Amino acid sequence: ETGVTQSPTHLIKTRGQQVTLRCSSQSGHNTVSWYQQALGQGPQFIFQYYREEENGRGNFPPRFSGLQFPNYSSELNVNALELDDSALYLCASSLLRDSYNEQFFGPGTRLTVL
Amino acid sequence: AQSVTQPDIHITVSEGASLELRCNYSYGATPYLFWYVQSPGQGLQLLLKYFSGDTLVQGIKGFEAEFKRSQSSFNLRKPSVHWSDAAEYFCAVGLRSNDYKLSFGAGTTVTVRA
Repeated sequence: ETGVTQSPTHLIKTRGQQVTLRCSSQSGHNTVSWYQQALGQGPQFIFQYYREEENGRGNFPPRFSGLQFPNYSSELNVNALELDDSALYLCASSLLRDSYNEQFFGPGTRLTVL
Repeated sequence: AQSVTQPDIHITVSEGASLELRCNYSYGATPYLFWYVQSPGQGLQLLLKYFSGDTLVQGIKGFEAEFKRSQSSFNLRKPSVHWSDAAEYFCAVGLRSNDYKLSFGAGTTVTVRA
C-alpha cells in the first residue's frame, strides 16, 4: 500500500504566475484535503474534495482552486501568485464515511514566491 | 470564535526528562482532538486521538494525552524524552458535523538537549 505522495517537492515562482501542485492519495481513499502551512504556523485548511466534488472550503480566495480526478488524485491550482502564498502545501487523503477515518498526510510541496 | 491554542511556542527539555505540551480549544461542543508530530522535511504523523470515553489516551512513540472537559484542554505528555522526539507538535480539532476537517494550533517546537 503506497502512502500519499506530492509533487513537486519544491517550487519557485514569481508574483503573478500560476502554479499547479499534485497529490496522489493513498490506495482506497476517496477524499483529499489541502492545507497551507506558512512558516512558523500550523496548517490552515484550504478545501476538501470528496468523490471529485468540492466538500467544504476554508477562508481562501477563489484564486485557490482544485480538482479531484476519478482515481481520487488531486490538484491544487493557485493563480496570480502573491508573496504571502509562500508556504508548505500539504495534502491529506482519507476515506470519508460516517465514522472517523484518519487523514494521512503527504510530505508537502514547498512553494516560494519571489 | 472557534480556536485551538498552543500556549508554548518553544520548549527545551533534557533527554530522559518528562515532556508536557499544552493545548486548549474553544468550540461549542467537544470536538474530536488530535496530536500530530512533524519532523523537518516530513509530513504530519498522527500521534494519538480522542473521540470519547476514557479521557487518558495512549498513542505511538510512548506519548499519551489527557482530555479535561472542564479546562477545555488536551495536553500531550511523555515520561522520558528521547533525542528523536525533537520535532514540531501540533494539536488539532475536528468536528463530525464538518466531516472532520482539521483546525490546527500554531504548534510547539521541542528541542532535546543531551
